[in-house]
Amino acid sequence: AQSVSQHNHHVILSEAASLELGCNYSYGGTVNLFWYVQYPGQHLQLLLKYFSGDPLVKGIKGFEAEFIKSKFSFNLRKPSVQWSDTAEYFCAVNERTGTASKLTFGTGTRLQVTL
Amino acid sequence: GAVVSQHPSRVICKSGTSVKIECRSLDFQATTMFWYRQFPKQSLMLMATSNEGSKATYEQGVEKDKFLINHASLTLSTLTVTSAHPEDSSFYICSAAGTRAYNEQFFGPGTRLTVL
Repeated sequence: AQSVSQHNHHVILSEAASLELGCNYSYGGTVNLFWYVQYPGQHLQLLLKYFSGDPLVKGIKGFEAEFIKSKFSFNLRKPSVQWSDTAEYFCAVNERTGTASKLTFGTGTRLQVTL
Repeated sequence: GAVVSQHPSRVICKSGTSVKIECRSLDFQATTMFWYRQFPKQSLMLMATSNEGSKATYEQGVEKDKFLINHASLTLSTLTVTSAHPEDSSFYICSAAGTRAYNEQFFGPGTRLTVL
């Protein structure tokens, strides 16, 4: 069975600080990897995704993530956070098959950006 | 991107009643839909996976007789919470995947259920 670990449960940063949120997964097969963001009171939005190819993927709002297969990791980064990045961030994984497969979510990381 | 809607966005009901939540894919055909539950300040937990025209597959610990899922068409899935109790109060979120991109799920905005 797949599992996803997000090590940082609550992160507090000042504006302009750099961000890195950890995500590790356990699964022996080929996976698709996702980062979602949930702003207060809003629904899930896709930040970025990795299916194959360049392991460094760029998403919306200046976020990027790097897939390191040997470490089973897919950490999220942003060089300079803004107050508007305050939100809950979820890493998710699903098995790459020929059909839609279920997503396994991490427990989430709450990011609080202070002015 | 693909759009998924949910209706209603909020519902309050009395204990013992049933509530139906609809999930629609607006601009693509969803061969597979997923239903998640999210408790306050927690992650999404998959409840069940439904494929169009077949019975839903429920995750361990999810009561299929309590959470009835129907996926009768390629654009509509429904979740019915039967004989709702206060502990069923939660945020229910659906997602859809299908002909546009089976690797990726597109999420609905969620339904906040409050059972009094």
